[in-house]
Amino acid sequence: QKEVEQNSGPLSVPEGAIASLNCTYSDRVSQSFFWYRQYSGKSPELIMSIYSNGDKEDGRFTAQLNKASQYVSLLIRDSQPSDSATYLCAVNENTDKLIFGTGTRLQVFP
Amino acid sequence: AAGVIQSPRHLIKEKRETATLKCYPIPRHDTVYWYQQGPGQDPQFLISFYEKMQSDKGSIPDRFSAQQFSDYHSELNMSSLELGDSALYFCASSLARTGLSYEQYFGPGTRLTVT
Repeated sequence: QKEVEQNSGPLSVPEGAIASLNCTYSDRVSQSFFWYRQYSGKSPELIMSIYSNGDKEDGRFTAQLNKASQYVSLLIRDSQPSDSATYLCAVNENTDKLIFGTGTRLQVFP
Repeated sequence: AAGVIQSPRHLIKEKRETATLKCYPIPRHDTVYWYQQGPGQDPQFLISFYEKMQSDKGSIPDRFSAQQFSDYHSELNMSSLELGDSALYFCASSLARTGLSYEQYFGPGTRLTVT
């Protein structure tokens, strides 16, 4: 079982809708959680980090963390076609490395 | 804002050749990470350096080595290249660990093709 699990998608949402991306992780000692956006052939771009339970909002993005359920999510409000990309959930266990999920491909259609 | 710089952006090598990838972290960042991403896969951690010392090691083949220099740039040396080494290689950097912050910022990557 992979340490960080994501639904590979594609997740298709209409323009203007809310896209909801989910991620579960297996190691309870995980302390830092990140969402990266990656366009095809490009590098991962950090869009959100979250460290404590609850919600964290930044513009159209909201990250939610529930450590008891080992669950992290990302909400994208007012989705735009330019948001179409693969979203990678990454977890850090207080060591250097990030452990990535396989990513969820998001498609926002006009 | 300055970002992570990687060179070269594209590299084509033949089997059994060697390759050197370079990474220049964001100014004032002192930790460098290397990741490998194969086609359709998620990035896999290879190795990291903090203040020029190796700080963590992942699934890096023995044929690969890396170091961080006094100016904080890092180089990944790959020898006896195999077809399976064809991948995107990303370098990321972060500021010194403070509290729980491990935000890593990725460079544009080097696409290595081994023929």
